[in-house]
Amino acid sequence: DVKVTQSSRYLVKRTGEKVFLECVQDMDHENMFWYRQDPGLGLRLIYFSYDVKMKEKGDIPEGYSVSREKKERFSLILESASTNQTSMYLCASSLAGGPNTGELFFGEGSRLTVL
Amino acid sequence: AQSVTQLDSHVSVSEGTPVLLRCNYSSSYSPSLFWYVQHPNKGLQLLLKYTSAATLVKGINGFEAEFKKSETSFHLTKPSAHMSDAAEYFCVVSERGGGNKLTFGTGTQLKVEL
Repeated sequence: DVKVTQSSRYLVKRTGEKVFLECVQDMDHENMFWYRQDPGLGLRLIYFSYDVKMKEKGDIPEGYSVSREKKERFSLILESASTNQTSMYLCASSLAGGPNTGELFFGEGSRLTVL
Repeated sequence: AQSVTQLDSHVSVSEGTPVLLRCNYSSSYSPSLFWYVQHPNKGLQLLLKYTSAATLVKGINGFEAEFKKSETSFHLTKPSAHMSDAAEYFCVVSERGGGNKLTFGTGTQLKVEL
């Protein structure tokens, strides 16, 4: 069964801390994505990657960075967490060809609270 | 530019009655359209997709959606709701030729009552 695993389901951090959210997929997908989900706003794309060591900004990249050193792993980094980054973070992957191929596979999410 | 509007943030139905979740889209190119479902504390799962083949698309769990270009709509339907259908549903648009970018709607929370 295909799987996208987000290592932390729930995190509580303090303002100014550095936060790492890890995502691993076992489907050999080329594409990986980080979304942020907030009530009433749907999902908003933070960053995505089409290949190892490649990254592109999404709609809301400010305050975030990413790392993709291996094909199966895509990390989201908050250099200095702020309270407005309290949210649910969803990782997803898909086959090459981009999201038009039809299906993103999502992890179960990481709920981050910044105090 | 592309956008998607889910016309209802909450829908409540009785078990065994039909479900209708409404979605309108805007796209400069020929769109691909998707419906995803998210059960509580879970990630999103693809229900169905339209990519320019048949305009009536059948998905998992008895759901289907019809692409209507003249109305720029892609409403999700199911003839008979089940308690397990209670979840949040997202309509998603992607423009072919638009850089493979997905745009998500704000979601419709479906409640199914006995």
